Amino acid sequence: QVHLVESGGGVVRPGRSLRLSCTASGFSFSDYGFHWVRRAPGKGLEWVAVIWYDGSEKYYADSVKGRFTISRDNSKNTLYLQMNSLRAEDTAVYYCARDPQEFSSSWPYRWGQGTLVTVSS
Amino acid sequence: FVLTQPHSLSESPGKTVTISCTRSSGSIFSNYVQWYQQRPGSAPTIVIYEDYQRPSGVPDRFSGAIDRSSNSASLTISGLKTEDEADYFCQSYDGSKRVFGGGTKLTVL
Repeated sequence: QVHLVESGGGVVRPGRSLRLSCTASGFSFSDYGFHWVRRAPGKGLEWVAVIWYDGSEKYYADSVKGRFTISRDNSKNTLYLQMNSLRAEDTAVYYCARDPQEFSSSWPYRWGQGTLVTVSS
Repeated sequence: FVLTQPHSLSESPGKTVTISCTRSSGSIFSNYVQWYQQRPGSAPTIVIYEDYQRPSGVPDRFSGAIDRSSNSASLTISGLKTEDEADYFCQSYDGSKRVFGGGTKLTVL
């Protein structure tokens, strides 16, 4: 059974950093690509970043490019999102999501329950 | 490009509702469209993928379509149930990036 658990959220001051983690189980982690998607309070879903199954390709939304870094550790079955220079507008619930098929990069299929990041002074 | 959805829709149980998702530039046929349902306090779940495919476990009351003339995708839910009340989002691709529509709040009452 596919299981994704995000962690690392919390309250952080503007300009500071935070690293989110997403621990996976129930499937072969290294065979799949992953996404980070966020939802700010009162707003819709916003795609943040994607990483291919082998980590060879990474892409970012313009709103986070240069500040956020997506990465993975296949030995730990864990996906990361390093968030630097945080802004108030980064306040959101952050979800990790897995691609539907192995060895490809497409759309968010299975989602975790999310972790809340609040950027506030 | 932008994917535009109606902000909100309301319909009665047992009725049919259609949610549109209009692509602002480029052809809607250029990239697959997915649809997600998100209930309050829960993570999104996929209800339609690759324009009209329905994942196992999603009732056949949910269907997807693409319309060339309006350059839009649509999600139709028939035989509405109160449990269908949720936010619905369309999603497609812009090169290597993914794009979500603004979302539609569906009220069933």
